[in-house]
Amino acid sequence: SAVISQKPSRDICQRGTSLTIQCQVDSQVTMMFWYRQQPGQSLTLIATANQGSEATYESGFVIDKFPISRPNLTFSTLTVSNMSPEDSSIYLCSVVEGTGNQPQHFGDGTRLSIL
Amino acid sequence: QKEVEQDPGPLSVPEGAIVSLNCTYSNSAFQYFMWYRQYSRKGPELLMYTYSSGNKEDGRFTAQVDKSSKYISLFIRDSQPSDSATYLCAMIGGFKTIFGAGTRLFVKA
Repeated sequence: SAVISQKPSRDICQRGTSLTIQCQVDSQVTMMFWYRQQPGQSLTLIATANQGSEATYESGFVIDKFPISRPNLTFSTLTVSNMSPEDSSIYLCSVVEGTGNQPQHFGDGTRLSIL
Repeated sequence: QKEVEQDPGPLSVPEGAIVSLNCTYSNSAFQYFMWYRQYSRKGPELLMYTYSSGNKEDGRFTAQVDKSSKYISLFIRDSQPSDSATYLCAMIGGFKTIFGAGTRLFVKA
């Protein structure tokens, strides 16, 4: 399966700042997703990163807060803007290879703490 | 009611025990079923992926799906301390993937 690298692996940021998380895949993939995972909770889908077009956001998530780029089939970024302590979480990138109902594969996540 | 229900545990077992992890779901549209293992400070890792009702075995792991009861299970035989992790079930239906909350498993040496 695809190897997914996320950067940074962790960061501590100040309130009001922004952080961009990168997701790099070692092969071309059809779909890329961004999730948030709070401690002890399930994965919450933020958005689907669409290559060459705007991301598709889930209810409760907006582009101004979580702008996403996907310039090609192997790379995507998620920016967490104007951060507050409530944004402290683990952010995960996942990909689907091939087409149809294939399982997602995940990177190791970015652990973000906001002071 | 959540689309997928999974007991968060924690579940603590002695080494060598058979572990049973379970999820129930409510949406009949779910047709594909997965189990992921997530170690601390790591992303979820795909363990099992299955479509049909019945059993699928891979080494010490067996995934079981009962679509009529909307119930899936993961069995771990001869559990090892290295199996200590959080196990998430997941389901795909209509190109949508839903994840369970995860069950924390501790295997004591």
